[in-house]
Amino acid sequence: EIVMTQSPATLSVSPGERATLSCRASQSVSSNLAWYQQKPGQAPRLLIYGASTRATGIPARFSGSGSGTEFTLTISSLQSEDFAVYYCQQYNNWPPGTFGGGTKVEIK
Amino acid sequence: EVQLVESGGGLVQPGGSLRLSCAASGFTFSSYSMNWVRQAPGKGLEWVSYISSSSSTIYYADSVKGRFTISRDNAKNSLYLQMNSLRDEDTAVYYCARGPEPTAYWGQGTLVTVSS
Repeated sequence: EIVMTQSPATLSVSPGERATLSCRASQSVSSNLAWYQQKPGQAPRLLIYGASTRATGIPARFSGSGSGTEFTLTISSLQSEDFAVYYCQQYNNWPPGTFGGGTKVEIK
Repeated sequence: EVQLVESGGGLVQPGGSLRLSCAASGFTFSSYSMNWVRQAPGKGLEWVSYISSSSSTIYYADSVKGRFTISRDNAKNSLYLQMNSLRDEDTAVYYCARGPEPTAYWGQGTLVTVSS
């Protein structure tokens, strides 16, 4: 089973600043990597798939990059609604579609 | 509009059983694979089970294999998860999610609490 490791566990950022979240796979997942956003009491929301393609309706301030084992989610200018937990998920070696442990983006 | 609505969660004793349902609407249910994903309180996401559109292919996470059974009724646009021999560690919000991966469509979740 592929293990997904996210860092940092918590990221403190001021509104308007850039946030950079990392996700590492224990073996190559090619570009079969997705990012989700989850707010308290809500289901996850798909942000990025194919490592860099924004899902429908996702603002351009969200961008993804990487391939193989190293991936990054960048939020260019944090808005108040962006404070949430972010998960990466690989779907290259599936099942299972393993998720990372999450990065909580909090207000600094 | 795609809608997935889970039901059937609740409080159950260790060793007990529970059946979750997911009612789908807004898309041709019989054309899509479906998944169950769970999230323990304060924890991350864990994929639980997958069923193909025709029910011909089914997968389970090792943590639930032999105890949980996924099924679907395409005539009723419904997905099910029969959970037997429940353990404390099965306590979680259970989401149904439309395939294929990665999924953009999730239900709101139903809480299963396993406790004596």
